[in-house]
Amino acid sequence: EDKVVQSPLSLVVHEGDTVTLNCSYEVTNFRSLLWYKQEKKAPTFLFMLTSSGIEKKSGRLSSILDKKELFSILNITATQTGDSAVYLCAVELYGNKLVFGAGTILRVKS
Amino acid sequence: DAGITQSPRHKVTETGTPVTLRCHQTENHRYMYWYRQDPGHGLRLIHYSYGVKDTDKGEVSDGYSVSRSKTEDFLLTLESATSSQTSVYFCAISESNIKETQYFGPGTRLLVL
Repeated sequence: EDKVVQSPLSLVVHEGDTVTLNCSYEVTNFRSLLWYKQEKKAPTFLFMLTSSGIEKKSGRLSSILDKKELFSILNITATQTGDSAVYLCAVELYGNKLVFGAGTILRVKS
Repeated sequence: DAGITQSPRHKVTETGTPVTLRCHQTENHRYMYWYRQDPGHGLRLIHYSYGVKDTDKGEVSDGYSVSRSKTEDFLLTLESATSSQTSVYFCAISESNIKETQYFGPGTRLLVL
């Protein structure tokens, strides 16, 4: 059974802290790994990763994939209250399907 | 924002009744998806469509059917709603089968009593 596990389930940090969110997976027919941010509404796309070791970066957010060890991390530096959200990791399989993790709830306190 | 709407946005229904949720897009995208989101499970794919009248099952398709008679509309039907189908339902669209291009609708909260 294809599985995506995110950790931690939730965390609380203070503004300015750096956080690392983890996503590990066990799937067949891996095609890509995606990160989404969800703020009480629809998930919005952050990154798509297909190759190991190549960091994707967008402002204070960055992500990297390790296809040998089957995990990805999402880093957020200098966190702000607007970063509070659920962060979802999903693995795309060949055959046009996404398998999602349960998400990490991040709360940034001012 | 991508032109994707869902209706209704909220619905309360009783066990055993049929329910239809509608996803409407104005982007002319080929692919449309229905997911459900439950605590502890993330999003799970119910059904998807890769063109008019072309649909396929996802990982949690039991108890659900779909129809796509035109490009812009993708309907999800619960033939006989059960309490286990209480969930938030998201529709998504994508221009291609590359998931980077997938956009989600605002969601429908369904409560089955």
